Amino acid sequence: EVQVLESGGGLVQPGGSLRLSCTASGFTFSIYGMTWVRQAPGKGLEWVSTVSGSGAGTTYADSVRGRFTISRDDSKSTMFLQMNSLRVEDTAVYFCVKGGAGTYYTDWGQGTLVTVSS
Amino acid sequence: VLTQSPGTLSLSPGERATLSCGASPSVGTSLAWYQQKPGQSPRLLIYDTSNRATGIPARFSGSGSGTDFTLTISSLEPEDFAVYYCQQRSSWPITFGQGTRLEI
Repeated sequence: EVQVLESGGGLVQPGGSLRLSCTASGFTFSIYGMTWVRQAPGKGLEWVSTVSGSGAGTTYADSVRGRFTISRDDSKSTMFLQMNSLRVEDTAVYFCVKGGAGTYYTDWGQGTLVTVSS
Repeated sequence: VLTQSPGTLSLSPGERATLSCGASPSVGTSLAWYQQKPGQSPRLLIYDTSNRATGIPARFSGSGSGTDFTLTISSLEPEDFAVYYCQQRSSWPITFGQGTRLEI
């Protein structure tokens, strides 16, 4: 059974940093692209970033490019999202999703809440 | 851009639900539908316009192409009341519609 589990969310002040983790199991992690999708409170879904199966390719939404960095450690079946220079508008539940940049998503984590507030 | 309508749809169990998703520009048939219940992550229902994902009941169906798409729920069950999103994968970046809330 495919499982993905996010961690690392919390409350941070504007301008601060946070690192999210996503630990996966039930599939061969190294060969799959992995993606972060976020959802602001009461709002819709927004694709944030994707890392390719090899880890060589990364893509970002315009809203986070230059501030967020996605990476992965295949030896630990884990993906990361380093979030710097956080803004109030980054407040959202961040979902870890199995799949690359141009696909549909069948396997989602439960999400981790990031709150950016002073 | 994906535009969903209506924003909210009020129906009763047993009724037929028709949800729309408009795309600009055309996305061909590269469109999916998700269901999300409060406090849960989204669940893939339909992919490539009309293919049901694994385990999805036959009362859910999708149709359309190009710029106009429809998700139909033939006879609503109590568990179907949720928010529904469309998603395109035709062009980068993948995008989602703003959602349709299906309420009792």
